[in-house]
Amino acid sequence: DTAVSQTPKYLVTQMGNDKSIKCEQNLGHDTMYWYKQDSKKFLKIMFSYNNKELIINETVPNRFSPKSPDKAHLNLHINSLELGDSAVYFCASSRALGNSPLHFGNGTRLTVT
Amino acid sequence: DQQVKQNSPSLSVQEGRISILNCDYTNSMFDYFLWYKKYPAEGPTFLISISSIKDKNEDGRFTVFLNKSAKHLSLHIVPSQPGDSAVYFCAAQGAYSGGGADGLTFGKGTHLIIQP
Repeated sequence: DTAVSQTPKYLVTQMGNDKSIKCEQNLGHDTMYWYKQDSKKFLKIMFSYNNKELIINETVPNRFSPKSPDKAHLNLHINSLELGDSAVYFCASSRALGNSPLHFGNGTRLTVT
Repeated sequence: DQQVKQNSPSLSVQEGRISILNCDYTNSMFDYFLWYKKYPAEGPTFLISISSIKDKNEDGRFTVFLNKSAKHLSLHIVPSQPGDSAVYFCAAQGAYSGGGADGLTFGKGTHLIIQP
């Protein structure tokens, strides 16, 4: 069983479109995250949710909005996609905040044309 | 500004030998450090972690060393195996204060190549 699963694996879309990436974890973890790996291969945190509350919001455009229907899911919705949004997006979860390893999904490669 | 630095983009090691991956950090508030392994088209996989109260943690073939005074940590893999060929990310986290957390700050990664 996949612990952290995200769909789709690949997403190709045009500028200006709105798209969503789904993430689910079956580990019973309390915290979920979205990370972005840019063209320079840096993994940078975008959001985290702890018990359905947004607790981190790095300086990402407000076109990006995380939505968590329950503790096991954290979806990423992106409005008005731009070329610069092309990247690999990783979902992750951890048992708790702090001193707790993150478990990552396999990533969604988003290409905006 | 990079708070976690992995200065070697790649490292080539012979099978059976020891692989040593290095990582430096600048933020003195970091107190929890992790190593992740990543294969192409997959997510990072957690390998091993160390708290700042320790200077060494060992798990099978993997050992992480932490030198707080030098703000340096390293991952030793011995013996190195072909399946160890991957990109290794160093990550760090600051103390959770309850008022917000910084998640994990990652280095840029080191591509380890194990040669037969």
